[in-house]
Amino acid sequence: KAGVTQTPRYLIKTRGQQVTLSCSPISGHRSVSWYQQTPGQGLQFLFEYFSETQRNKGNFPGRFSGRQFSNSRSEMNVSTLELGDSALYLCASSSKVDWGTEAFFGQGTRLTVV
Amino acid sequence: AQSVTQLGSHVSVSEGALVLLRCNYSSSVPPYLFWYVQYPNQGLQLLLKYTSAATLVKGINGFEAEFKKSETSFHLTKPSAHMSDAAEYFCAIKAAGNKLTFGGGTRVLVKP
Repeated sequence: KAGVTQTPRYLIKTRGQQVTLSCSPISGHRSVSWYQQTPGQGLQFLFEYFSETQRNKGNFPGRFSGRQFSNSRSEMNVSTLELGDSALYLCASSSKVDWGTEAFFGQGTRLTVV
Repeated sequence: AQSVTQLGSHVSVSEGALVLLRCNYSSSVPPYLFWYVQYPNQGLQLLLKYTSAATLVKGINGFEAEFKKSETSFHLTKPSAHMSDAAEYFCAIKAAGNKLTFGGGTRVLVKP
């Protein structure tokens, strides 16, 4: 079974631009979550989607948005990029929404804002 | 609100020595706890999880963790370190739905 696939792996953008990151979950998984990882703030939760509905949202500005499609694939969008948005963005998929269910992570998209 | 704290941002061990990574949690409900490992330029890989079935949890690559409610701890151990264990390790707690709250991470260096 293929794992979580994130594209692209690396991205360089200029301040003020917008960017879209893509995540394909493990086949059959309907829950997708997104995390931002930076050296200063560590791993921070962005949002979670299940069956195309946003279930949880982290404490990030409105420039960060996401969506999930009917095939469970998810995208996140960051508009008006700032230098501080440079980070590793990780996507995780889970088979269901359940306290004991583990999350499987993709390899991440490394975003650099210049 | 649920949270985890990892004591020690860096740990250095000799090859063959015990690896001990500390994680303490805070939770208003029975916790669900996880340990993940991250190798350079990679995503997170699940090592093990605690879901109240057993207090001693065995994971992959020889790692295990013990849940101690009285100490609010979920420390990760491995009896004998291998060079391939050099990585960053994260303790995490389920906060709501599938939202994970992570500790700050512990980077492990293995000396030959």
